[in-house]
Amino acid sequence: GAGVSQSPSNKVTEKGKDVELRCDPISGHTALYWYRQSLGQGLEFLIYFQGNSAPDKSGLPSDRFSAERTGGSVSTLTIQRTQQEDSAVYLCASSPQTGVQETQYFGPGTRLLVL
Amino acid sequence: SQKIEQNSEALNIQEGKTATLTCNYTNYSPAYLQWYRQDPGRGPVFLLLIRENEKEKRKERLKVTFDTTLKQSLFHITASQPADSATYLCALTDSSYKLIFGSGTRLLVRP
Repeated sequence: GAGVSQSPSNKVTEKGKDVELRCDPISGHTALYWYRQSLGQGLEFLIYFQGNSAPDKSGLPSDRFSAERTGGSVSTLTIQRTQQEDSAVYLCASSPQTGVQETQYFGPGTRLLVL
Repeated sequence: SQKIEQNSEALNIQEGKTATLTCNYTNYSPAYLQWYRQDPGRGPVFLLLIRENEKEKRKERLKVTFDTTLKQSLFHITASQPADSATYLCALTDSSYKLIFGSGTRLLVRP
């Protein structure tokens, strides 16, 4: 009965470097979301995957951000040429299927600090 | 633009009292409203969902109200306990899969 897992839990990087953040959703969940949470702020939607459909990338803040989901399971969020304003907690969530009444199950997040 | 407001100041109450948290929204017509709890260093955890045609929803010591005229939801914790101390987030969705989150209100329950 594992929940959503994310790795690494913490990441410190230098400005200009690329980083990859990983999310393992709950087995069988078809929907996967990425959010960003800055200090004292709410969650900012980044990207959404549902099954084999094209992902909704409307929340990605710039073309330095990209994400993929392989085999309908594990997802990787990549930030290229990181900037200090990218520092935040990146949260992944999954849900059994698409539906407005579906609750989302969140992972513990990856805390990214760009120096 | 769509806006969700939660009191940014922490709510500090005595154990045993009822905590009431507020979520206001503008320029939005949500079909569903959800409340989540977030502890430091952890991801949010779902608590309750209420539909636009529901006035009130209860779960154990929790109660949520949804007033689409006032564009407001109230979240109540009765007989509060120190273990209830956390940040509480409201989230809205219209007819899509996207949740829009408020910034949350921190609740502190003193023993």
